[in-house]
Amino acid sequence: AQKVTQAQTEISVVEKEDVTLDCVYETRDTTYYLFWYKQPPSGELVFLIRRNSFDEQNEISGRYSWNFQKSTSSFNFTITASQVVDSAVYFCALSESITGNQFYFGTGTSLTVIP
Amino acid sequence: DTAVSQTPKYLVTQMGNDKSIKCEQNLGHDTMYWYKQDSKKFLKIMFSYNNKELIINETVPNRFSPKSPDKAHLNLHINSLELGDSAVYFCASNQLGLAGLGTDTQYFGPGTRLTVL
Repeated sequence: AQKVTQAQTEISVVEKEDVTLDCVYETRDTTYYLFWYKQPPSGELVFLIRRNSFDEQNEISGRYSWNFQKSTSSFNFTITASQVVDSAVYFCALSESITGNQFYFGTGTSLTVIP
Repeated sequence: DTAVSQTPKYLVTQMGNDKSIKCEQNLGHDTMYWYKQDSKKFLKIMFSYNNKELIINETVPNRFSPKSPDKAHLNLHINSLELGDSAVYFCASNQLGLAGLGTDTQYFGPGTRLTVL
């Protein structure tokens, strides 16, 4: 079973629009971490955020914000006023304390921002 | 001052050859990983080493052999390369968290694009 589901395979938005990337996870652990990574066309994987299971506060960093809701097992990522440089594949990931150091990545959402 | 580095960045080779990819991290982490990313961008864990000891070994053909000479290096050797091995291979590292506290962020190298002809 997929532990991390990113149902949106591809999204296209026009520049300056807001866009939300969905991430739903599955775990029986009470202690876990959630992550978002960005993979731009140049190919590297860039860490964006880490959130632990005990901290449900939403986070904002510039145009980026994250909404963590344990009740729906979701950790969604919103980009406000999107820019062409936001075009990338975005990965959500989960790590659980019971499985130690293993990350479970979603299948990624490819975001294209059209100028 | 690159955190996680991989060499080479591109590798083009013929079927049947043997090749190696090197990875080094200067973050002081104790755990390193190899991932394979296929053409559909799916990231699949292959191996993980903690302090030079193998701790994750997913279902990977035994033509793939990781080697960790020290905790800052994790190399990947591939024997008898096949067409299906063409992919981008990422090295990553992190510091294992304490029991019950989950795991620390994984930091990735730039990737090695392997093309088998």
